[in-house]
Amino acid sequence: DTAVSQTPKYLVTQMGNDKSIKCEQNLGHDTMYWYKQDSKKFLKIMFSYNNKELIINETVPNRFSPKSPDKAHLNLHINSLELGDSAVYFCASSPGTQGNTIYFGEGSWLTVV
Amino acid sequence: ELKVEQNPLFLSMQEGKNYTIYCNYSTTSDRLYWYRQDPGKSLESLFVLLSNGAVKQEGRLMASLDTKARLSTLHITAAVHDLSATYFCAVGNQFYFGTGTSLTVIP
Repeated sequence: DTAVSQTPKYLVTQMGNDKSIKCEQNLGHDTMYWYKQDSKKFLKIMFSYNNKELIINETVPNRFSPKSPDKAHLNLHINSLELGDSAVYFCASSPGTQGNTIYFGEGSWLTVV
Repeated sequence: ELKVEQNPLFLSMQEGKNYTIYCNYSTTSDRLYWYRQDPGKSLESLFVLLSNGAVKQEGRLMASLDTKARLSTLHITAAVHDLSATYFCAVGNQFYFGTGTSLTVIP
């Protein structure tokens, strides 16, 4: 069983389109995250939710909108995709917000053409 | 924003050699994590360091934390090819990641 699963794994889309990446965890964790990893492998936190509530919202364009329908799901919707959005997006989860290790999904490779 | 820097960014070393990767961070934190990422793969947790002076070892890797110096080290002993990967440190309750160290072990 995959603990943190993301779909789709690969996504190629044109500029200007709107797309979503879904994430689900079956670990019973309270906190979920979205990270972006660029071509230089820099890994930057985008959002963090704890029990469906937003607790971290780093400086990302408001074209990115997370949505957590329940604490097991954290989806990422991206409007008006730009070339610079091409990256690997990782979903992750942790038992809480106080320093437990986090578990990553397999990543979603987004290419905007 | 918490800044986390790793040194070096790229490391090429021969099998059997020892080396240390450094992780410096900008604000106080008593929690630090090390992760490994293989090419095209996800991140795998290696160590969780939760207090000043914490030291953990697994195989050829040993991690330590000095919260006063805001420094963690990942020491590699007698490197083998299987250790080739990118290593990340992450700091704080919100998991701010370092710049990563891409390690290549050469036969």
